[in-house]
Amino acid sequence: AQSVTQLDSQVPVFEEAPVELRCNYSSSVSVYLFWYVQYPNQGLQLLLKYLSGSTLVKGINGFEAEFNKSQTSFHLRKPSVHISDTAEYFCAVSEQGAQKLVFGQGTRLTINP
Amino acid sequence: DADVTQTPRNRITKTGKRIMLECSQTKGHDRMYWYRQDPGLGLRLIYYSFDVKDINKGEISDGYSVSRQAQAKFSLSLESAIPNQTALYFCATSDFGGLGETQYFGPGTRLLVL
Repeated sequence: AQSVTQLDSQVPVFEEAPVELRCNYSSSVSVYLFWYVQYPNQGLQLLLKYLSGSTLVKGINGFEAEFNKSQTSFHLRKPSVHISDTAEYFCAVSEQGAQKLVFGQGTRLTINP
Repeated sequence: DADVTQTPRNRITKTGKRIMLECSQTKGHDRMYWYRQDPGLGLRLIYYSFDVKDINKGEISDGYSVSRQAQAKFSLSLESAIPNQTALYFCATSDFGGLGETQYFGPGTRLLVL
């Protein structure tokens, strides 16, 4: 069965600094990978997803993620963060054919002015 | 108007009470899901439904039941609420795109069981 580990529960960064949120997954078959964002007091919304093809995926709000099959990772990055990026970020995996998402524990990104 | 709505948004109940959380969607999706979110645990799947006649247990279904009244409505019931069911509950929908379909989430219901 698939599983997801987000290596940092909290990440504090200064405004306009770069950030990387780490995600590793475990699966014995091919997977689809997702990053969702949860702003305060809201539901989750999709940031980006990897299905196939190019390993570098670009999403909304300037975020991107890179799929690394050999390291079973799907880290999320942004070159310059803003206060509005303060949120909790969830990595999720779906095995091809499984029709269900498995979520990581979440990473709380805090932006300091 | 929101595509996925949940009622109530907040609920306080007592141990042993039966409560129902409701989810409605206007996206026309066949697939609907119920998750609970706990700090440090992420989201865990309670039940999911791929159409009105198809209901499936998720990883943490004990103590919960669901009803898919129509394509657009999916309700979650706690038969006899207990304090460790205190959590944030999310409903989600997805379309059968066949290739890593995106899930769309409601705003959540915050439940406190005393």
